[in-house]
Amino acid sequence: NAGVTQTPKFRVLKTGQSMTLLCAQDMNHEYMYWYRQDPGMGLRLIHYSVGEGTTAKGEVPDGYNVSRLKKQNFLLGLESAAPSQTSVYFCASNTPTGVLNQPQHFGDGTRLSIL
Amino acid sequence: AQRVTQPEKLLSVFKGAPVELKCNYSYSGSPELFWYVQYSRQRLQLLLRHISRESIKGFTADLNKGETSFHLKKPFAQEEDSAMYYCALSRSTGNQFYFGTGTSLTVIP
Repeated sequence: NAGVTQTPKFRVLKTGQSMTLLCAQDMNHEYMYWYRQDPGMGLRLIHYSVGEGTTAKGEVPDGYNVSRLKKQNFLLGLESAAPSQTSVYFCASNTPTGVLNQPQHFGDGTRLSIL
Repeated sequence: AQRVTQPEKLLSVFKGAPVELKCNYSYSGSPELFWYVQYSRQRLQLLLRHISRESIKGFTADLNKGETSFHLKKPFAQEEDSAMYYCALSRSTGNQFYFGTGTSLTVIP
C-alpha cells in the first residue's frame, strides 16, 4: 500500500496562476483533509471531506476550493494564487470506527511557492 | 472552541537527559488526544494516542483532565528523537483534528 500520495511534491507559481494539488489514498478511508503548514502556525485545516461528493470548510478555506469526485481522491485547487498561499500542503485521511476517531495518515507534502 | 497549545516552539536537551514536551488543550467535552512526529523531510506520523496508553519509542503521554494537559515524556532522550512534535485534539463526536503549533526538539549529542 502506498498510503497517501500527493502530487506534485514541489511547485513554483506566479501570482494569479491556478493549479490543482492531487491527493490519492489507497486505504479506502472515508475522510480526507487538506492542511497547510506554516512556520509558527502549525497545521491548519483548509477543507475536509467526510465522503465522496461531500466537502466542508476548515479553519482557513479562503482562496481554495476542493472536490471529492472519487472516494480515493481529494483535490485542492487554487484559482488565483497569491504569495500568502506559499506554504507546505499536507493531505491526510482516516476513517471513523464507532465513536472513536482513528489517527490520520499523512502524505509527504507539497511545497508550493508563489512568486 | 477547541484549542491546542504547545508553549515551546524550540526545545533542546542533551542525549540521555529527560525530555518533556508540553501540550495543553481547551475543550468542554471528552477529547481524543494524539501526538504526531515529523522527522526531517518526512511525513507526519502518529506517535501515540491517549486511549492506547502505550509507550512508543520510549515516549509516554498521560491525559490529565484536571489540568487539561497531555504532555509527552521520555526519560532518556536519544539523538534520533530530534524532530518536530505536534499535539492534536479530536472531538470524540466529530471528524476534525486541531493541531498545536508544534515543538521542534533537538537532542544534543
